[in-house]
Amino acid sequence: NAGVTQTPKFQVLKTGQSMTLQCAQDMNHNSMYWYRQDPGMGLRLIYYSASEGTTDKGEVPNGYNVSRLNKREFSLRLESAAPSQTSVYFCASRDSGLYGYTFGSGTRLTVV
Amino acid sequence: KNEVEQSPQNLTAQEGEFITINCSYSVGISALHWLQQHPGGGIVSLFMLSSGKKKHGRLIATINIQEKHSSLHITASHPRDSAVYICAPYKNNDMRFGAGTRLTVKP
Repeated sequence: NAGVTQTPKFQVLKTGQSMTLQCAQDMNHNSMYWYRQDPGMGLRLIYYSASEGTTDKGEVPNGYNVSRLNKREFSLRLESAAPSQTSVYFCASRDSGLYGYTFGSGTRLTVV
Repeated sequence: KNEVEQSPQNLTAQEGEFITINCSYSVGISALHWLQQHPGGGIVSLFMLSSGKKKHGRLIATINIQEKHSSLHITASHPRDSAVYICAPYKNNDMRFGAGTRLTVKP
């Protein structure tokens, strides 16, 4: 089925460890996004990529890096995980115009 | 003050009732997005609109750009409508999300 695929679905890290969250979409969308969702708060934008080869910071970029490897894939890297990065992470993509976003199923990350 | 305010935060309804969820925002936008988050966590895009009204099945979304206000209506609500509904004003690749309205529809 067409959509946005995120891996892994669950991850537990120790403080200071690094990891990369993977995201891939097969809808030929130009724009891709990484969000985090914390209890009682709205989703917040970490980074986005308006097109292949470009990335921009969002509202909460500190502690994260991203790579737009090609049009399909947009990865999020935590170089040195901190407990404050415990959250649910969502990847999303969209085409141009007033079309809705397509979200991945999320990655639940716990940093201990 | 939050940029995006949704009301109510929680809503319980009986099956068949007409539901209204409101969203007010303080930022200038080019469009507004309504999303549905299921109990399992998955997020689905419902509407993205920049003016007037959009309808999809039993769901209707309206927006008044001048008043910075949008509403999501659900007609003939059903238990399967139970979810968190999120509004997200959008401009220039930047969406700001409300905290959501948790809707529970009882049979």
